Amino acid sequence: EAQVTQNPRYLITVTGKKLTVTCSQNMNHEYMSWYRQDPGLGLRQIYYSMNVEVTDKGDVPEGYKVSRKEKRNFPLILESPSPNQTSLYFCASSLDRYTSGNTIYFGEGSWLTVV
Amino acid sequence: SQQGEEDPQALSIQEGENATMNCSYKTSINNLQWYRQNSGRGLVHLILIRSNEREKHSGRLRVTLDTSKKSSSLLITASRAADTASYFCATDAPSGNTPLVFGKGTRLSVIA
Repeated sequence: EAQVTQNPRYLITVTGKKLTVTCSQNMNHEYMSWYRQDPGLGLRQIYYSMNVEVTDKGDVPEGYKVSRKEKRNFPLILESPSPNQTSLYFCASSLDRYTSGNTIYFGEGSWLTVV
Repeated sequence: SQQGEEDPQALSIQEGENATMNCSYKTSINNLQWYRQNSGRGLVHLILIRSNEREKHSGRLRVTLDTSKKSSSLLITASRAADTASYFCATDAPSGNTPLVFGKGTRLSVIA
């Protein structure tokens, strides 16, 4: 079954404590990305990756890091989380970025609360 | 970056009625897609319409695209309580060099 799997699904953490949200896809997709979703702001892209070892900033990259060492994995790293990073996070993947009409597959979301 | 904007922000209808949601965007596109999100869950792709298409159907869904007005509509016919969700449009750009951009969504409530 085609899947994007992200973990953890729910996390409460404290300000400044580094955390990583993992993301894995089993569709051999080249393109992966991270979004955050906040009330009234919709989905905003944090970072994306066109392929292994290729990453780029999205609209709201501040406070986040990513890496793409393997095609299937694209972890999101919060080096020093702050309360304004409390949000619902989605990992997503698609076949590639430049082919028109690609469907994006989303993970189930990770609820992150920073206190 | 360009962004689709859905209208209305929220819509409440009775089961069996039709629901229409609109999306407007700012610049030329290759494709426009509609996604659905159940509360707190991941988005799921519903339908894609290409810039050279005017209308597309999939089951109870009907999507139209008017590139001259830079707008699209999603019609759900004979709505069911299970259609309660948020609906997002997403657009790309002809250059292919920009990521797919999502609007803020329409929250649809179908009352049984």
